[in-house]
Amino acid sequence: DTGVSQDPRHKITKRGQNVTFRCDPISEHNRLYWYRQTLGQGPEFLTYFQNEAQLEKSRLLSDRFSAERPKGSFSTLEIQRTEQGDSAMYLCASSLAVRQILASGDQETQYFGPGTRLLVL
Amino acid sequence: AQKVTQAQTEISVVEKEDVTLDCVYETRDTTYYLFWYKQPPSGELVFLIRRNSFDEQNEISGRYSWNFQKSTSSFNFTITASQVVDSAVYFCARPFSGSARQLTFGSGTQLTVLP
Repeated sequence: DTGVSQDPRHKITKRGQNVTFRCDPISEHNRLYWYRQTLGQGPEFLTYFQNEAQLEKSRLLSDRFSAERPKGSFSTLEIQRTEQGDSAMYLCASSLAVRQILASGDQETQYFGPGTRLLVL
Repeated sequence: AQKVTQAQTEISVVEKEDVTLDCVYETRDTTYYLFWYKQPPSGELVFLIRRNSFDEQNEISGRYSWNFQKSTSSFNFTITASQVVDSAVYFCARPFSGSARQLTFGSGTQLTVLP
């Protein structure tokens, strides 16, 4: 049973370039999440998918960011026209929701991948 | 925003000492879940525990134990007889109120266990 995988693990790019990250969730997990983590801070939520539908987006997700999960399996996160402030660790997580409508306050466990560390020069 | 506060930024202990990591959270919900994750130097967040607010019993798993106190909104984590391999950043987290999906994390506690 493999865990969440992310590719690449490290990316160095120049300001203004576009970058794309990939996340492969745990097999059969129907929910997939993207978080961003800067040095010395906890992860911050960016967006989440249930199957192929993108259901929530954070205000942190500017117009330069776009995420897709075309077939409800792997997901990609693209950052266009990168800025130095985009330098961070990008974490992907997945979870299995067994009920469509969860009780108030319910929350299944999110399992995280190793992250992609982005450095924008 | 409802916060998760981990007031201890860094803790250093000598191997075999016990250590407690504090977590205080804000919530307006009557039912909710809380989580602890470990982030070793490799960067991957490792799930440790998920607790719901119905159950205030302390939980023990090997050298790890958790003390959940709803009255003080705290969910503290104790490592008994710490080992060098326990060195990592530990995060407390809870679902963002109003959304059952996104997690709100504390800023983490860097634990260093010295040999």
